[in-house]
Amino acid sequence: NAGVTQTPKFQVLKTGQSMTLQCAQDMNHEYMSWYRQDPGMGLRLIHYSVGAGITDQGEVPNGYNVSRSTTEDFPLRLLSAAPSQTSVYFCASKLTSGGTNEQFFGPGTRLTVL
Amino acid sequence: GENVEQHPSTLSVQEGDSAVIKCTYSDSASNYFPWYKQELGKGPQLIIDIRSNVGEKKDQRIAVTLNKTAKHFSLHITETQPEDSAVYFCAASLTFGNEKLTFGTGTRLTIIP
Repeated sequence: NAGVTQTPKFQVLKTGQSMTLQCAQDMNHEYMSWYRQDPGMGLRLIHYSVGAGITDQGEVPNGYNVSRSTTEDFPLRLLSAAPSQTSVYFCASKLTSGGTNEQFFGPGTRLTVL
Repeated sequence: GENVEQHPSTLSVQEGDSAVIKCTYSDSASNYFPWYKQELGKGPQLIIDIRSNVGEKKDQRIAVTLNKTAKHFSLHITETQPEDSAVYFCAASLTFGNEKLTFGTGTRLTIIP
């Protein structure tokens, strides 16, 4: 199992550009989520999905879109990047049943918006 | 919504000594409290968790205690080793299985050889 994979590892954007952060998991997890990590602020939930075709907003959803067309993939889209979106982004996945609530995190994408 | 405060933000301990990290939460309805460890350049990894029907849980050198009345929970690491150096995050959610985890701001633990 590759676990949770994220691409790219690093990205630099100019203000107003758009891009998609990719996330994939091969553990057949129903739940997937996106967090951003900023210095001194911990991890904050952006969007999450409990299964294909179902998404919902987290704590900081503005400026980000998601979709979940398959169980494996959960891309995060920035439609018009802003400097405030400079951050490290983590994707995570977990089972929604089975007695464990462990979230498995990917290695992260470091995004800089100039 | 839930608010989780974590202290200290940095902690240095001699190898072999114990380390304690404390968190408080605001929503008395929260009942699931995980701890994650993040090594440099990697994503966080679950190391231990506790549900509100349990006051303490141990896993080898790591233990978590929960005081629901005071709304605080703590991570205890005994006999610290260099590989314990990392950033540790506490978190809370309303129910076990609830997707909306609220994280603390993290503690950078450094083990001094």
